[in-house]
Formats: sequence, C-alpha cells, structure tokens
Amino acid sequence: QSALTQPASVSGSPGQSITISCTGTSSDVGTYNYVSWFQQHPGKAPKLMIYDVSNRPSGVSNRFSGSKSGNTASLTISGLQAEDEADYYCSSYTSSTTLLYVFGTGTKVTVL
Amino acid sequence: EVQLVESGGGLVQPGGSLRLSCAASGFTFSDHYMDWVRQAPGKGLEWVGRSRNKANNYPTEYAASVKGRFVISRDDSKNLLYLQMNSLKTEDTAVYYCAGDALEIWGQGTMVTVSS
Repeated sequence: QSALTQPASVSGSPGQSITISCTGTSSDVGTYNYVSWFQQHPGKAPKLMIYDVSNRPSGVSNRFSGSKSGNTASLTISGLQAEDEADYYCSSYTSSTTLLYVFGTGTKVTVL
Repeated sequence: EVQLVESGGGLVQPGGSLRLSCAASGFTFSDHYMDWVRQAPGKGLEWVGRSRNKANNYPTEYAASVKGRFVISRDDSKNLLYLQMNSLKTEDTAVYYCAGDALEIWGQGTMVTVSS
C-alpha cells in the first residue's frame, strides 16, 4: 500500500485561494468517503481540518473546504492567511489488508 | 476539555521493548475507537494501529510494518490506552501520537528513539 500522492509544496499570497490535491486509488479515495485533511505546524500535533471529504469540525474556519472526484480529493484554502503556513496531510480509509488508514505524502503550504 | 496525553517515550536499543501510555480526559473514553499514529523525523504520518471499543469487543488492527511486534491495549476503568512495542528496530524511531474519535482528537506525541 503506497501513500496517497500530494504535491510537495504549494504557495500563495495572502488573500488568495490555493488547492492541494490528494491522489489515491480505487482501494481508498475512490471508494470511501472517509477522506480527512490535517494541518500540522512545526513541532506540533496534527489538527483535523476536514473529515468525511467535506465536513469541518467545530471551530475550524470556513475558509477550509474539501471535495472529491474519482480517486482524487482536494483541500481548498480561501483567503489565505499567514497562520495557514503549515504542512497538510490527507488520509483515507483503505481496503488494504495491511493498513486501515493511508496518509498522504504531505504538502508544505507557504504564504508568500 | 478534551485531552490526550502520551508518555513513556525514550531511547531504547534495537531489539528492545518499550510501553507507551495515552491518558484520555474530557470525553467518554470507553465509547471511542483509539488509534496510534507515528511520524519519523522529517517524514510524514503513518497509521500504526487501532483499538476498537467495548461495544465491538475491543478488536485491534495493526499496520503490516508493526504486526506481530506491537500490541495495543486499553484500560477503560482508567481511561488509558497503551502501545507495547517489542523487537524494536531503528526504523521505529518516530514521534508516536495517540488519536481518538477517528483521528479527530490528538495528543501531543511522545518521541521514541531506537538506537545503539
């Protein structure tokens, strides 16, 4: 089971919108609506930003939104702010016999 | 306040053992599935294993990379989750996080270093 594929880095200016892709297979992203997105600042624990493809936990800004099409999920951050600079990871439930969840390779978001 | 606090990390030699603990508070621990996730230095996240709840008879599942070496258990009376790690390898070096409620709640992590 390989990790889900994410771009290594994405950047944008304050106020802009950026989108991070997360590409899996029909064994994970393509079949299950259990895709989550996590934000991780340096030295900190991951924080859940999106669950079940497009749902936001209580307290997460509505600038964060999620979607899915086929084997690819996406996280969009609108109105980019300096505090959004962090690493972002997607994850998906998988039918693999060797894993329950598979994570993405991670994307470094830089606010220019 | 919902909180998870890991402890028990440290330096251990290859082939050695270590037991991590995760103390839960602020929610009904016994109702929830609990996971362990790790992150090697400078690397991404890796799911390690899951403990389901009493209602589902506490079955556990493990990543292939740790199956047969790691054991997850829990004590619902004390709101504690454990990760017993045996036959440790250098590639097990990582920050270990416990997480609850389908990865919605995370602890701060505890560092495990496997080195001679």
